[in-house]
Amino acid sequence: EAQVTQNPRYLITVTGKKLTVTCSQNMNHEYMSWYRQDPGLGLRQIYYSMNVEVTDKGDVPEGYKVSRKEKRNFPLILESPSPNQTSLYFCASSLRMVGRGHWGYTFGSGTRLTVV
Amino acid sequence: GIQVEQSPPDLILQEGANSTLRCNFSDSVNNLQWFHQNPWGQLINLFYIPSGTKQNGRLSATTVATERYSLLYISSSQTTDSGVYFCAVSKGAGGTSYGKLTFGQGTILTVHP
Repeated sequence: EAQVTQNPRYLITVTGKKLTVTCSQNMNHEYMSWYRQDPGLGLRQIYYSMNVEVTDKGDVPEGYKVSRKEKRNFPLILESPSPNQTSLYFCASSLRMVGRGHWGYTFGSGTRLTVV
Repeated sequence: GIQVEQSPPDLILQEGANSTLRCNFSDSVNNLQWFHQNPWGQLINLFYIPSGTKQNGRLSATTVATERYSLLYISSSQTTDSGVYFCAVSKGAGGTSYGKLTFGQGTILTVHP
């Protein structure tokens, strides 16, 4: 089954304790990205990656890191989490057609993170 | 950047009723999708529909790209249809918004038995 898999689904952590949210897709998509969803602010893009070893900032990158060492994996790293990073996080991937943009985004099931 | 507006913001229905949700966008797009966010927070892809009409069971969608709007139709609504419906768009290649999906604020649908 074609899917984007995020782990964990739920996480409660303490301020300053490094954590990683994993994301993996099995559709051979070149493009992957991370979003956070907050009440009243909607879904906002954190980071994206157009291909292996190619990553760039989205709208709200502060406090996050990403890496793209393999095509299928795109982990989100919080080096020193803070309470304002409490949010619902989504990983997404899409097919990129050169010169024609992106088609058909698939989202993971989400990770609900609470930082206390 | 591109603006996406959804209407209505809230919708309350009795089971069995039909409804139409609207999405207006401010620029030409090459990708438009409708998502349903269920009560567990999952984003379920309903339609990939940058233009034309598609149907899937009780749901159908139409996008008129030249007029920059899309409609999602829900017929014979069920309580399981409750949740938030999002329209999301992305533009073509190039620019700092490359590949970014821009979401509308969503329509909160509540279906009562």
